[in-house]
Amino acid sequence: IAGITQAPTSQILAAGRRMTLRCTQDMRHNAMYWYRQDLGLGLRLIHYSNTAGTTGKGEVPDGYSVSRANTDDFPLTLASAVPSQTSVYFCASSDSIPGLNTEAFFGQGTRLTVV
Amino acid sequence: GQSLEQPSEVTAVEGAIVQINCTYQTSGFYGLSWYQQHDGGAPTFLSYNALDGLEETGRFSSFLSRSDSYGYLLLQELQMKDSASYFCAVRASGSNYQLIWGAGTKLIIKP
Repeated sequence: IAGITQAPTSQILAAGRRMTLRCTQDMRHNAMYWYRQDLGLGLRLIHYSNTAGTTGKGEVPDGYSVSRANTDDFPLTLASAVPSQTSVYFCASSDSIPGLNTEAFFGQGTRLTVV
Repeated sequence: GQSLEQPSEVTAVEGAIVQINCTYQTSGFYGLSWYQQHDGGAPTFLSYNALDGLEETGRFSSFLSRSDSYGYLLLQELQMKDSASYFCAVRASGSNYQLIWGAGTKLIIKP
């Protein structure tokens, strides 16, 4: 089944630990995104990638890094987790052709708690 | 800066019609999208407007006025399953073509 998959679905992490959230899509979308959504709030863009080999910073990039070695995978790394990074993390993908309906498809989310 | 404004919460009765407004201020504009998110779930795409006017998809319609930087989502014949948060999002050239998101409108439906 085509789609976008995130792992893990939830995680409790000790502060100061390093953690990588995984995201894989099989729709051959050239653009991928990482968002965080805090309780009761909207989506905030952490990092994005318009195509394999390139990445860019979003609204809240500090404390996070990403890589885009190929089209399908877009992992998000927290180098040293802090409690303020407790959130739900969504990975998404889309085509990125300006002017067209570039619907974003979301993964099921990773619920991360940093203690 | 670039921003989208939408009401934080709207309450309606089952079977009624509700309109969720969205105003935007962005650098460049390609289109306005609407997404639905149920509690604990991922956002899912509902509609997209690139040109002025009304787009209808079943019980849901979406409207855009580019001159007013304004759009709305219209939900008809409300059902309890429509209880969710609804987000408007704009793809803008000024943000390197990224989607800029509103904070979401929580739709509460009462029987």
